[in-house]
Order: sequence, then C-alpha cells, then structure tokens
Amino acid sequence: GQQLNQSPQSMFIQEGEDVSMNCTSSSIFNTWLWYKQDPGEGPVLLIALYKAGELTSNGRLTAQFGITRKDSFLNISASIPSDVGIYFCAGTHHYGGSQGNLIFGKGTKLSVKP
Amino acid sequence: DADVTQTPRNRITKTGKRIMLECSQTKGHDRMYWYRQDPGLGLRLIYYSFDVKDINKGEISDGYSVSRQAQAKFSLSLESAIPNQTALYFCATSLQSNEQFFGPGTRLTVL
Repeated sequence: GQQLNQSPQSMFIQEGEDVSMNCTSSSIFNTWLWYKQDPGEGPVLLIALYKAGELTSNGRLTAQFGITRKDSFLNISASIPSDVGIYFCAGTHHYGGSQGNLIFGKGTKLSVKP
Repeated sequence: DADVTQTPRNRITKTGKRIMLECSQTKGHDRMYWYRQDPGLGLRLIYYSFDVKDINKGEISDGYSVSRQAQAKFSLSLESAIPNQTALYFCATSLQSNEQFFGPGTRLTVL
C-alpha cells in the first residue's frame, strides 16, 4: 500500500537545540497531520495542515504543508527534555467527510544525547 | 477522565485463543478506528467504522473482526490468536475531519 517516507528515523538532541524532521509521499496529499507518542501511550495530535503552503505553529512546534503537496516538515525550536518521544507524520488523499483514511510514516525517534 | 479508553491495557494469551479488545469513547465522535503498531512499522489500519451500521476493512484485516455495538463502543476480536499478532493495538476516533484521537493502547502478547 501507499507509504510515507519519514526522516530521519532517529536523532539525538541536546537541550536547547532546534530539531527538524520531514515526511515525503510519491503522490499528492490533501491533509498532513503530525503526532507525538510517548512510551506506553497513544499518539497525540500536535498539528493539522489542510492547505498547500500552510505554516502552522503550536508553541515551539512549527509544521508546514509543502507547496508540491507531497511533503511536510516539522520543526521544534529550543528543545527541552520532554520533547523526547516518537513523532509520526500522517496524511490522507481525501478531505474530511469522504472515505479517506490516514496513512502513517514509520516515525522519528527523538532521544537525549548521552 | 480519558476521552478514549481501551480495555484491557495488557493481555497475554496463548495461540488459538479468542481475544476481544474493547474501546469506548466519550467524545461523541461517529468515526472509530482500530490500528496495530509494530516496532519500526508505524501504525497500520485494521478496521474502521463511520457509524454504527458501517464497517470497513483496512490495510491488514485478515485474522481480525470488529463489532460496533453503539456509537461509543467499537471492539476488535482475534478469532484464533497467533504469535505474529503480538503488537500494540490502538483505537482512535474522529469527527468528519481527518483529525484522529487515540486511546492509550493495548499491549497484546500471543505465546
């Protein structure tokens, strides 16, 4: 089935650093979502994007819906220890109200530098 | 109280046993979903339901069945569990938008 390529697979952060991750698709998407999952818990929705070129912030998090509609980016500024976890992108070809379902990337695991 | 709850949170069972995982929600959402998560594979859709009378297969429905007992309840069954069904299982809900809200998950181990 359809796959999303999410990168990097993992990264180490030092407190205060900015973090970037992205997700790409071989086909056009109409919605991009970014989730965070902490150990032992379900994914939590961070940001939803509905228009090409859209740039949306949620605190220190900023996500963009790529102009080509085939990619999305998530940036975390001034990272803090509680940012560690797994970040998932998800997208759908369809607008809400239709039969579309989400396709998930395989995740980017954020860890603290030893 | 959590908006989406799943029971049990952990379950260990043996090959061949029938298992039911339950999901309840107080969000008032019409749409409910069951996903499976395996390490390194992200989330894969098993079944979804857009209302009480609607059931649809997802990407990996073989070996699973579901029942939508009410708007707020959606259960997942493994008729005869096998070891490769060992995974984390998540229920999710949504309105008509694509924004899905997840439960805390059930960790299932099949021996």
